Amino acid sequence: DQQVKQNSPSLSVQEGRISILNCDYTNSMFDYFLWYKKYPAEGPTFLISISSIKDKNEDGRFTVFLNKSAKHLSLHIVPSQPGDSAVYFCAASNLYRDQFYFGTGTSLTVIP
Amino acid sequence: GAGVSQSPSNKVTEKGKDVELRCDPISGHTALYWYRQSLGQGLEFLIYFQGNSAPDKSGLPSDRFSAERTGGSVSTLTIQRTQQEDSAVYLCASSLRATEAFFGQGTRLTVV
Repeated sequence: DQQVKQNSPSLSVQEGRISILNCDYTNSMFDYFLWYKKYPAEGPTFLISISSIKDKNEDGRFTVFLNKSAKHLSLHIVPSQPGDSAVYFCAASNLYRDQFYFGTGTSLTVIP
Repeated sequence: GAGVSQSPSNKVTEKGKDVELRCDPISGHTALYWYRQSLGQGLEFLIYFQGNSAPDKSGLPSDRFSAERTGGSVSTLTIQRTQQEDSAVYLCASSLRATEAFFGQGTRLTVV
């Protein structure tokens, strides 16, 4: 049973516009959430994270929003750049249990 | 190096042969994960190790797949009697705490 879901396999956005990637989870015990980015022929790399005690975390052009009541998180990229074209994975964990659960990924294409 | 190392980086094998994929996690990382990504597909969880034990191996697709971890360090994923549908990129990740996982570059397996 997939505990972390990314329902959009792909997304295309014009350069300069906002990219919004979504992620839903089912386990209310998750207390830490992460986004990873993956380029072809490379392993995923950490992008940004958020603790369940917050509802927003910002790092430059990247902002992650957490809605605990809806069990939903999103990654906003503003402004989007062609170099942001990659597959983005969300992940969730419970800091006590120490295990990650990853979504299946969303492929973002930023059109110049 | 200080990162997660996977070997080989590429493997071409004939259908029906056995293959072993190796993962060297970051030193001291207690948790280790195996995932695979088939062409055009999302990230698929295979198995999770905490130390040498595997509390979650629910993602192994069949009994042809097995994995072990020794000394709380190196892990080997073995696929017996490989099939063409086993062709994928196999990714390994390790973590010390559930606040960030580090991925290797992956092993691209091609079964011909």
